[in-house]
Amino acid sequence: EAQVTQNPRYLITVTGKKLTVTCSQNMNHEYMSWYRQDPGLGLRQIYYSMNVEVTDKGDVPEGYKVSRKEKRNFPLILESPSPNQTSLYFCASSLRGRAELGTDTQYFGPGTRLTVL
Amino acid sequence: DQQVKQNSPSLSVQEGRISILNCDYTNSMFDYFLWYKKYPAEGPTFLISISSIKDKNEDGRFTVFLNKSAKHLSLHIVPSQPGDSAVYFCAASARNTDKLIFGTGTRLQVFP
Repeated sequence: EAQVTQNPRYLITVTGKKLTVTCSQNMNHEYMSWYRQDPGLGLRQIYYSMNVEVTDKGDVPEGYKVSRKEKRNFPLILESPSPNQTSLYFCASSLRGRAELGTDTQYFGPGTRLTVL
Repeated sequence: DQQVKQNSPSLSVQEGRISILNCDYTNSMFDYFLWYKKYPAEGPTFLISISSIKDKNEDGRFTVFLNKSAKHLSLHIVPSQPGDSAVYFCAASARNTDKLIFGTGTRLQVFP
């Protein structure tokens, strides 16, 4: 089954304790992205990757790191989490970078709800 | 600066009637628009899209209209069904960029 998986689905942690949220896709997609969803702010892009070893900042990259060592995996790293990073996080992937003519839509994972105390 | 805006956070519609969800954008470089639907505890899923060269795209009960001069798009769902109850996000992308900009979402509730 074609899917994007994220782990963990729920995480409660404390300020300053490094954490990693994993993301994996089995569709051989080139493009992967991380978003956070917050009330009243919708989905905002954190980082994205066009391909292996190619990453770039989205709209809200501060406090996050990513890596793309393999095509299927795109982990999100919070080196020193803070309470303002409490949010719902989504990983997404698509075949190429840009949606065109409805053939390149993004597929989203189920989300990771992170609480930083 | 919110480039894609959904000014109605919620909408309630009776089953069988039309649901109209609206989205406004400010960036005239946007040339591709999408709607995503999101159920609780799930990730968003693609619903329908439209290129700026068109003003309408239809897929079953779902139709998206684009008014470029007004920088406005809308999603029509006819007839609305209880299973359509979800949060709907509009999104836009610009030529030569690799990002989608999402709106804040509209929660649609379809009641019997």
